[in-house]
Amino acid sequence: QLQLQESGPGLVKPSETLSLTCTVSGGSISSSSYYWGWIRQPPGKGLEWIGSIFYSGSTYYNPSLKSRVTISVDTSKNQFSLKLNSVTAADTAVYYCARHRYDGNDSPYYFDYWGQGTLVTVSS
Amino acid sequence: DIVMTQSPDSLAVSLGERATINCKSSQSVLYSSNNKNYLGWYQQKPGQPPKLLIYWASTRESGVPDRFSGSGSGTDFTLTISSLQAEDVAVYYCQQYYSTALTFGGGTKVEI
Repeated sequence: QLQLQESGPGLVKPSETLSLTCTVSGGSISSSSYYWGWIRQPPGKGLEWIGSIFYSGSTYYNPSLKSRVTISVDTSKNQFSLKLNSVTAADTAVYYCARHRYDGNDSPYYFDYWGQGTLVTVSS
Repeated sequence: DIVMTQSPDSLAVSLGERATINCKSSQSVLYSSNNKNYLGWYQQKPGQPPKLLIYWASTRESGVPDRFSGSGSGTDFTLTISSLQAEDVAVYYCQQYYSTALTFGGGTKVEI
């Protein structure tokens, strides 16, 4: 059974960099059938896609966040990571990692497995 | 970006009754070369991550009860719960993957 687990600091100061890692177990991150994505959800609000990465390192980013986001992958550890710099209170959210279905022809599709999420609060 | 607009924001349905949730995209998410609608639906219960219910607008994910169905094409889509159960209380989201800039609808809260 595939499992995804987010990890990282739960509190980040304004203007600093938010860093999270997603560890994938029960399956290989190096599959050609999937991208791996990050999605966030501010408290009491809806879902916002942040970006996604293929095991080769190919990425797609949300245009509204692209200037502040870097997603990377470490296939040897079966992990992928998110860095969001220059954070403000508006970046306070539950951050989810998820598996992103892909057939090799288009861009990635829907999310079929999700981690439980981790709350990151931006505050001094 | 493709804007996804859901309606209503919330609805209350009696147990055993039908619930209908609408999702409208600001441009068509129907890919003409394969005649597929690049649209998914998710269910999110309190304190849990979203769960995939429907993809390609009408294909039910494995293990999802058949009381959940998706329909529509182009810009207008519907998620129907044919006979609401207590465990269906949740927020439901649509998501388009036609554009590389993925976007979600704002969510519809379903209550008893």
